[in-house]
Amino acid sequence: GENVEQHPSTLSVQEGDSAVIKCTYSDSASNYFPWYKQELGKGPQLIIDIRSNVGEKKDQRIAVTLNKTAKHFSLHITETQPEDSAVYFCSTGGGNKLTFGTGTQLKVEL
Amino acid sequence: NAGVMQNPRHLVRRRGQEARLRCSPMKGHSHVYWYRQLPEEGLKFMVYLQKENIIDESGMPKERFSAEFPKEGPSILRIQQVVRGDSAAYFCASAGFEGPGNEQFFGPGTRLTVL
Repeated sequence: GENVEQHPSTLSVQEGDSAVIKCTYSDSASNYFPWYKQELGKGPQLIIDIRSNVGEKKDQRIAVTLNKTAKHFSLHITETQPEDSAVYFCSTGGGNKLTFGTGTQLKVEL
Repeated sequence: NAGVMQNPRHLVRRRGQEARLRCSPMKGHSHVYWYRQLPEEGLKFMVYLQKENIIDESGMPKERFSAEFPKEGPSILRIQQVVRGDSAAYFCASAGFEGPGNEQFFGPGTRLTVL
């Protein structure tokens, strides 16, 4: 089955700096790569996704890149703000279910 | 336009009791997924259901766990004879269509504690 690895597990940045989270996956059949943000006590919320026919996608301060050859994808958050503090999960989908990484606790410090 | 609803939000059970978790998908969605999240871990897929059908239960433990999504009413995840290892957050997600690239919308989760 699919295996998704995510790094780092924790990340602290100063407000205004950029944050980068990286994931690798094992199943070459995966073709959908959503990223979720989870705040304490809440369910995951989709923040951006990318499909295998696209190498990069941007939505305001958030961007995702995908390298299918190397089987890795990354989340980039620019100009971080305190409200960006949360746990971020990468995931992959090739059929109906999603396989999640282990999460990155992002802390944006003032 | 309500999102995915789950209840109860918190559930406490003693070992050996039964736990029933409910999930109402978003309006118009007929695809439901259940995931389990252990403390400090990512979400693990359990089961995928459409109305009255279990499509993929490859992530479900073989014993004590069952799921249904009846023609009318919410989807139910049922855990019989709970053990302490069942303590986790259980999330339901719904989608409007099946297949790769179907955005899954998550509910707030049910946090199960087994004493």
